[in-house]
Amino acid sequence: GEDVEQSLFLSVREGDSSVINCTYTDSSSTYLYWYKQEPGAGLQLLTYIFSNMDMKQDQRLTVLLNKKDKHLSLRIADTQTGDSAIYFCAAPSWGKFQFGAGTQVVVTP
Amino acid sequence: GAVVSQHPSWVICKSGTSVKIECRSLDFQATTMFWYRQFPKQSLMLMATSNEGSKATYEQGVEKDKFLINHASLTLSTLTVTSAHPEDSSFYICSASTRDLDGYTFGSGTRLTVV
Repeated sequence: GEDVEQSLFLSVREGDSSVINCTYTDSSSTYLYWYKQEPGAGLQLLTYIFSNMDMKQDQRLTVLLNKKDKHLSLRIADTQTGDSAIYFCAAPSWGKFQFGAGTQVVVTP
Repeated sequence: GAVVSQHPSWVICKSGTSVKIECRSLDFQATTMFWYRQFPKQSLMLMATSNEGSKATYEQGVEKDKFLINHASLTLSTLTVTSAHPEDSSFYICSASTRDLDGYTFGSGTRLTVV
């Protein structure tokens, strides 16, 4: 099965909060990452969290990590139309990134 | 911050020809680079890990004779798709290890279309 799993789609109204969830299997990663991909573009690093942390806040972004359950989430506060994209969580294992399938976030007015 | 330049951003080639994609780390030395392939609406699949001065390590199922990887310097890795066929059409992305807390920097990707 997949090493990293994500929900595939999220629709959110502009101004609301978005929450994207991710589960992973390999716990050797020192850091866990969230990337954003806009259509036809590469990956943009959004944020990352050290594996010994439970939470990290970075402006509108909040990352929560439950290491026991191997669950990672990304919350985007006050979601804007520019946040429409595909979001990938990634758990490196010995330098190799295991990506989730990506969550497509669609922001509606 | 660290920047990885990938070129070309898109390429169309005829079936049977070869295409070379370059990945450069602009302001840091990348001892390790990774090549990924992404099918439409799917995640990134790691193809190979490229270490400077040594042979690339390919993931299971990736044809090393078809996808030639060269990492001759600390700032440049190339992926050559040999004898391309339409099924090789995909989005290819490289990434380079910065060994920093920010992790790994990705190139902007190359859209390959084989006709």
